[in-house]
Amino acid sequence: GAGVSQTPSNKVTEKGKYVELRCDPISGHTALYWYRQSLGQGPEFLIYFQGTGAADDSGLPNDRFFAVRPEGSVSTLKIQRTERGDSAVYLCASSFGNGELFFGEGSRLTVL
Amino acid sequence: AQKVTQAQTEISVVEKEDVTLDCVYETRDTTYYLFWYKQPPSGELVFLIRRNSFDEQNEISGRYSWNFQKSTSSFNFTITASQVVDSAVYFCALSEARRGGNKLTFGTGTQQKVEL
Repeated sequence: GAGVSQTPSNKVTEKGKYVELRCDPISGHTALYWYRQSLGQGPEFLIYFQGTGAADDSGLPNDRFFAVRPEGSVSTLKIQRTERGDSAVYLCASSFGNGELFFGEGSRLTVL
Repeated sequence: AQKVTQAQTEISVVEKEDVTLDCVYETRDTTYYLFWYKQPPSGELVFLIRRNSFDEQNEISGRYSWNFQKSTSSFNFTITASQVVDSAVYFCALSEARRGGNKLTFGTGTQQKVEL
């Protein structure tokens, strides 16, 4: 597709389970970002990739969160031992260098 | 630390009215970027504008205009002649230019409702 694609669009899981969220950026975009948006709040930065490497992971809340981008395109955000407080919409965005950020529609995670 | 404040939680206007969304920011950086994004009910954030801290010229794009005042650390957004399609949450955001420009700090958003 032409835009940033995120799957799944909705994920319901139980506390303690492992979750993976996938982001397929716009073709050719070198930079990829993950943000998290809780209800009624603005998005919060989690991690940023330039190519395959994480250029800045200072927003990851703790070591249960991890993200990869092994081939410099698709990225997976991984959450271990999920907690109810992890419930949020996880937004992915991509850009060509420092150009305009294009966001996906997000993956809504609900932890019961 | 960076901070963006959008004091207006929700604004309701009638179609064709003008509305201004306020944004006040805090940063220690001398070079930074300011942004506005629109988030319709679908959830996808739509880019509206990016402004460099050295460029204080106001900007107009169709029914949208932006007023950047460095002296008051504000970057306000005005929608002229509101339409129902303008109903959305609008976010103001800030980034440090030295970090590459796209690590954004967002405000909490202003819900804009346009009624007939």
